[in-house]
Amino acid sequence: QLQLQESGPGLVKPSETLSLTCTVSGGSISSSSYYWGWIRQPPGKGLEWIGSIYYSGSTYYNPSLKSRVTISVDTSKNQFSLKLSSVTAADTAVYYCASRIVVVPAAMPYDYWGQGTLVTVSS
Amino acid sequence: EIVLTQSPGTLSLSPGERATLSCRASQSVSSSYLAWYQQKPGQAPRLLIYGASSRATGIPDRFSGSGSGTDFTLTISRLEPEDFAVYYCQQYGSLFTFGPGTKVDIK
Repeated sequence: QLQLQESGPGLVKPSETLSLTCTVSGGSISSSSYYWGWIRQPPGKGLEWIGSIYYSGSTYYNPSLKSRVTISVDTSKNQFSLKLSSVTAADTAVYYCASRIVVVPAAMPYDYWGQGTLVTVSS
Repeated sequence: EIVLTQSPGTLSLSPGERATLSCRASQSVSSSYLAWYQQKPGQAPRLLIYGASSRATGIPDRFSGSGSGTDFTLTISRLEPEDFAVYYCQQYGSLFTFGPGTKVDIK
């Protein structure tokens, strides 16, 4: 069974770049069976999809965040990462990494989630 | 972008009662790629329903989903104490968007 764990700084200054890593266990990041993604949730608010990546490197981003987001895979560490540039207080949120299975030709939602990590943007 | 609207915002019910939650999309959700998640305080969302009506692994049969096109429903037949939580719908047919959530609380 897949397990995902987020890690990274809990505090980021405005205008800087937020960087988080998701470590995957119980499965390979290089597997063609999964997509990997990031979702965030501001305190007391709803969920927002940030983007996702396939083992091949193909990425899909939320259009509202696309100009600031980069998601990448590190196969040697079985990890994938999120970088969000030029952050403001509005980017303060719990950030979740998640996975969804590939079922050709259908699509599937995210079914494995990390526990989430709170990132606060403040000087 | 497909916008999802959920109603009601809050549903106050007693254990044993039936809960009916609604999710409406701004345009048709392709192939009924609509999911429902449950989230409790301090926890990650948990997938309940995918494909509008298929239960995820390990989800009790008191949870059921229905609908197609732009109108979808999550029904909890008899509320158990552990079912009081926030429920989100999500479409995954055109990138991913979530609804704002429905809170089911104890009356």
